[in-house]
Amino acid sequence: KAGVTQTPRYLIKTRGQQVTLSCSPISGHRSVSWYQQTPGQGLQFLFEYFSETQRNKGNFPGRFSGRQFSNSRSEMNVSTLELGDSALYLCASSGDGTYNEQFFGPGTRLTVL
Amino acid sequence: AQRVTQPEKLLSVFKGAPVELKCNYSYSGSPELFWYVQYSRQRLQLLLRHISRESIKGFTADLNKGETSFHLKKPFAQEEDSAMYYCALSEGTNAGKSTFGDGTTLTVKP
Repeated sequence: KAGVTQTPRYLIKTRGQQVTLSCSPISGHRSVSWYQQTPGQGLQFLFEYFSETQRNKGNFPGRFSGRQFSNSRSEMNVSTLELGDSALYLCASSGDGTYNEQFFGPGTRLTVL
Repeated sequence: AQRVTQPEKLLSVFKGAPVELKCNYSYSGSPELFWYVQYSRQRLQLLLRHISRESIKGFTADLNKGETSFHLKKPFAQEEDSAMYYCALSEGTNAGKSTFGDGTTLTVKP
């Protein structure tokens, strides 16, 4: 099985811009989660999508949004970028059923200038 | 709200020595606990989960509900164990929303 893929791998944006990140889960996985990883805050949960519906949401402002398509691919969008949004954004997918582990992608490194 | 604490940012041991990476959690319900590992230049991956009670690469972890801990242990560390280790907690059986600790960087010296 191909692993979780994320595009692009690196992005440089300026304050005020918006950005869209993409994640393709492992085939057959319907759950896609997004995390923000920074040196100061560690790994923080953004949101989880399951079958095109947001199932869980973390404590991030409304500038952070996401969606999931019928093929389970997911995108997250950050509008009005701030310097503090610079981070590694990780996507993880998991299968149905109980106690399923998350499989992580390589991440998208976003730098906001 | 749930919280995961890994008190050691850095841990260094010699090859062949025992190693213990500490993890404490706070959660009012019945948690599911995981250990994830990230080797250099690799993606984050699951090492083990408490529900399966298995030993992976010689590592074990026991959930102690009384002390709200889930420490990761290995009796004889190997150089290839050098990596970043994250303890994580999920609510119920859905691992899709997990709370992670800040991680511990383990270095095993020759």
